[in-house]
Amino acid sequence: QVQLVESGGGVVQPGRSLRLSCAASGFTFNSYGMHWVRQAPGKGLEWVAVISYDGTNKYYADSVKGRFTISRDNSKNTLYLQMNSLGAEDTAVYYCAKASCSGGSCPLFLWGQGTLVTVSS
Amino acid sequence: EIVLTQSPGTLSLSPGERATLSCRASQSVSSSYLAWYQQKPGQAPRLLIYGVSSRATGIPDRFSGSGSGTDFTLTISRLEPEDFAVYYCQQYGSSPYTFGQGTQLEIK
Repeated sequence: QVQLVESGGGVVQPGRSLRLSCAASGFTFNSYGMHWVRQAPGKGLEWVAVISYDGTNKYYADSVKGRFTISRDNSKNTLYLQMNSLGAEDTAVYYCAKASCSGGSCPLFLWGQGTLVTVSS
Repeated sequence: EIVLTQSPGTLSLSPGERATLSCRASQSVSSSYLAWYQQKPGQAPRLLIYGVSSRATGIPDRFSGSGSGTDFTLTISRLEPEDFAVYYCQQYGSSPYTFGQGTQLEIK
């Protein structure tokens, strides 16, 4: 069925790196833009990054620019988020979400269940 | 960056009542690219409304969206028990694609 499944979360020390993955199934992955959205414990949603259908266009929130990198492998139907120089403020559930078009300027129709990243020593 | 401010922060109503949630943008949202999401505890968000007023697939018609420019509203005409949740607006017209801080809709 149509779904997104995130993985790669866990506990990581401050300053270290982590890579999240999002496996897509049930739809033509290489036709849609994909986003990462995060939610700190007990807080609201924060948009993180978007990548276009072919990976050529990427945009980031200021809070992660220069530290996080969004990428995709269309041959594997998988979205990634490489997170470097992690700090306590990055502790959150990270959701991947499918846009309804090939770029970023469209609503998020499909969400994964999220993966928790905890930055702690 | 477009800042979205939602009000009220918490709304206490009873089933059967009408709910009106507000989302105000710091600058005009381009091409009416404004969406509303519902999130229940322990669940991922779910798209309700996009393009200001279009309901997503499977969303009951008691949910409606309206507004333009910088002021937007989500209305739930008659609250059902399953509607009590947190609601977020999002603008997707220009990066960064910001969310509002959310409105908690709770049972009175």
